[in-house]
Amino acid sequence: IQMTQSPSSLSASVGDRVTITCRASQNIGSYLNWYQQRPGKAPKLLIYAASILHSGVPSRFSGSGSGTVFTLTISILQPEDFATYYCQQNYNTLWTFGQGTKVEIK
Amino acid sequence: EGQLVESGGGLVQPGGSLRLSCAASGLTFSSYWMSWVRQAPGKGLEWVANIKPDGIEKHYVDSVKGRFTISRDNAKNSLSLQMNSLRVEDTAVYYCARVLWVPAAMVYYYYYMDVWGKGTTVTVSS
Repeated sequence: IQMTQSPSSLSASVGDRVTITCRASQNIGSYLNWYQQRPGKAPKLLIYAASILHSGVPSRFSGSGSGTVFTLTISILQPEDFATYYCQQNYNTLWTFGQGTKVEIK
Repeated sequence: EGQLVESGGGLVQPGGSLRLSCAASGLTFSSYWMSWVRQAPGKGLEWVANIKPDGIEKHYVDSVKGRFTISRDNAKNSLSLQMNSLRVEDTAVYYCARVLWVPAAMVYYYYYMDVWGKGTTVTVSS
């Protein structure tokens, strides 16, 4: 299953609302996770099962979608949110990630 | 929440072998699926392999099948990745991760990686 994220990168300002889209090559239901990775650091889980916020993750992060189109939204961008975001499907036993979306400071 | 610490990375020639380890602490290691995920320099994340708690069921990305073997020792809270016939394109930071699951529907589950190590670097070069 191929996962395609858009855009590949975006520039935004603190306080902006940011939306990242992830598209699956086939219907994956809600078997979709989102991760954040800051430079030089390990990934961190943000959202699982498409829309469930992982414990300790700020409520400004939200996920939606099912089937083949999913979105990650950051409602009010904070300085610590400048990072790369990845979607990942777990619909079958061969997991795949999207190519990533880098959120940069405008 | 627990901690995972990878080790065993290094420089190896193409065709060589390397064994990565991941030590778990502060979590009930034997209850969880575990994963290896890698990231080539400047590239995105790539899932490599999974192993069930009992160590019997395993899954691999196609590019490493027949070359890499994932294993675990629940008595020692340890996960391993034996990498043989290494290629230049295997150069990456390798992360181990704990896999949690929640019920989806009927016999299905949503799986997600909630605890990650800091990674160990593997460089395959002549």
